[in-house]
Amino acid sequence: EVQLVESGGGLVQPGRSLKLSCAASGFTFSNYYMAWVRQAPKKGLEWVATISTSGSRTYYPDSVKGRFTISRDNAKSSLYLQMNSLKSEDTATYYCARHEGYGGYSGFDYWGQGVMVTVSS
Amino acid sequence: DIVLTQSPALAVSLGQRATISCRASESVRSSMHWYQQKSGQQPKLLIYGASNLASGVPARFSGSGSGTDFTFTIDPVEADDIATYYCQQSRNDYTFGAGTKLELK
Repeated sequence: EVQLVESGGGLVQPGRSLKLSCAASGFTFSNYYMAWVRQAPKKGLEWVATISTSGSRTYYPDSVKGRFTISRDNAKSSLYLQMNSLKSEDTATYYCARHEGYGGYSGFDYWGQGVMVTVSS
Repeated sequence: DIVLTQSPALAVSLGQRATISCRASESVRSSMHWYQQKSGQQPKLLIYGASNLASGVPARFSGSGSGTDFTFTIDPVEADDIATYYCQQSRNDYTFGAGTKLELK
């Protein structure tokens, strides 16, 4: 059974940093691209980052580029999101998700249960 | 950025057909996917590549379209289908529609 379990969320002050983790199991982690998607309270979904199977390629929307860094450790079947210079608008539930390749015709086929990040003084 | 436009809500009766539309600001070919999100849960992939049913998803769900206009259908609607439905494009980065909340009439 595919499982994705996020951790590392919490309350953080504006301007500070936080690192999220996602532990994967039930599939060959190194064969899949991985992504982070967030959802602000009562709002829709926003893609935050994607990383290739080897970790050599990363992709971000302009809203987080330069502040967030996605990484992975295939030996540990783990995905990470380093978030720096956090702003109140980064407050959201953060999901990790699995997908096949960047772009193309496949969606995000498995999602974790999400972890809450609150940016507030 | 490619903007996806969905109507905010749809009211439907149990046993009837529900049709949700998603319009893209530019062509995404067939790189369109549909998700279901129930209250307090993570999203679930239902349709990928505009019209392909994801693994384990009932055949009551279907998708169609290409280019800029896409349709997601549930027929017949069951009580368990009450949720918010999102379209997502993967033609140019990834963007989601704002979601359509399916409600009972």
